[in-house]
Amino acid sequence: NAGVTQTPKFQVLKTGQSMTLQCAQDMNHNSMYWYRQDPGMGLRLIYYSASEGTTDKGEVPNGYNVSRLNKREFSLRLESAAPSQTSVYFCASSVDRGLGEQFFGPGTRLTVL
Amino acid sequence: GDSVTQMEGPVTLSEEAFLTINCTYTATGYPSLFWYVQYPGEGLQLLLKATKADDKGSNKGFEATYRKETTSFHLEKGSVQVSDSAVYFCALSAYNTDKLIFGTGTRLQVFP
Repeated sequence: NAGVTQTPKFQVLKTGQSMTLQCAQDMNHNSMYWYRQDPGMGLRLIYYSASEGTTDKGEVPNGYNVSRLNKREFSLRLESAAPSQTSVYFCASSVDRGLGEQFFGPGTRLTVL
Repeated sequence: GDSVTQMEGPVTLSEEAFLTINCTYTATGYPSLFWYVQYPGEGLQLLLKATKADDKGSNKGFEATYRKETTSFHLEKGSVQVSDSAVYFCALSAYNTDKLIFGTGTRLQVFP
């Protein structure tokens, strides 16, 4: 039982390049989330998915797209990376029983030059 | 909208000292409250939670009590260890959802 896995762990992009961050969970959770973590700002929700086939914007969705490929996988895409997207990205999942507990992946550290 | 405010860090303590990290919240209805911990280079882990007023969450020697009258959920530990050095996040979820709103985090550094 690996929990929540994310790939890659580190990535360096040039401004304007695109990339997809992958996330998968093996806990049969309904809900999945993408956050970014910046110094002094805590975690901010980018997008979330309450179930397969549905996605909703969070607090900071601009510049990102997501895909809930199936129940296990939830990817985050940067179409044209900008230096302001330099951050640590975390994926999380939850059972969605109204209990509020989320399980987090180890994170992807992204630098955009 | 709902929000969480926690004390700024870093908090620097000697081993075996008493720890308090303050957290207050603003929310409509009856949120659930959480403390998450992030060790260096890792993702967040749930440390403890409380789902209704006057509940006390506890884990690994840490405690926090849900105080509705003061809208607070302060984290305490009686005797910290070097291994407790981490960033601590207070968070809330609105009633009957799993969506979390986080505070900005408080870095704890414990020295031997």
